[in-house]
Amino acid sequence: EVQLLESGGGLVQPGGSLRLSCAASGFIFSDYAMSWVRQAPGKGLEWVSSISANGVTTYHADSVKGRLTISRDNSKKTVSLQMNSLRAEDTAAYYCAKLRTVGTTLYDAFDIWGQGTRVTVSS
Amino acid sequence: EIVLTQSPGTLSLSPGERATLSCRASQNVGSNYLAWYQQKPGQAPRLLIYKTSNRATGISDRFSGSGSGTDFTLTISRLEAEDFAVYYCQQSDKSPQTFGQGTKVEI
Repeated sequence: EVQLLESGGGLVQPGGSLRLSCAASGFIFSDYAMSWVRQAPGKGLEWVSSISANGVTTYHADSVKGRLTISRDNSKKTVSLQMNSLRAEDTAAYYCAKLRTVGTTLYDAFDIWGQGTRVTVSS
Repeated sequence: EIVLTQSPGTLSLSPGERATLSCRASQNVGSNYLAWYQQKPGQAPRLLIYKTSNRATGISDRFSGSGSGTDFTLTISRLEAEDFAVYYCQQSDKSPQTFGQGTKVEI
């Protein structure tokens, strides 16, 4: 079964750090680009970051650039999101998502989603 | 940034009725880069349609997508109880990829 399982969420103070992880199973992880998408409470979906299949290319939304960093370890089949200098507006459920197409593209639909991990930034 | 505007915000319908959801883009979106998702309360989004009109694996043929340029549509031909949810369109043509604000389909 194709599956993504996020972990690492929690309560953190403004300015603090957190590292989210996403463990993949059921597909050839190293063949696919991966992304993080977040959803603030009661709000819509916001793309956060994407990373290419080989981990060489990354890009981030302007709202998180310089503070949140995506990375992956193909040997462990994991993708991570390092979150620094957190702000109240980063409070959200964070979803790990797999791009639909095999290969180098970073521009595609997300066909598999994890169940999400919740991050709350508050003092 | 491409802004996607979905309408209506809420669609109140009954089981068996047809639902038509609109997604309008602030600039042209290539047809290969428009997708639709369904999200139920407390759940992750689920891919319904990719490349404007292709159903994802396991998606009922009651769901269909169409459109081009700046105007795209998701149609649910005969609503079933399980279809009442929030639906989002997404473009991945231009960076940053963006989502619409969602349409809630309610009973």
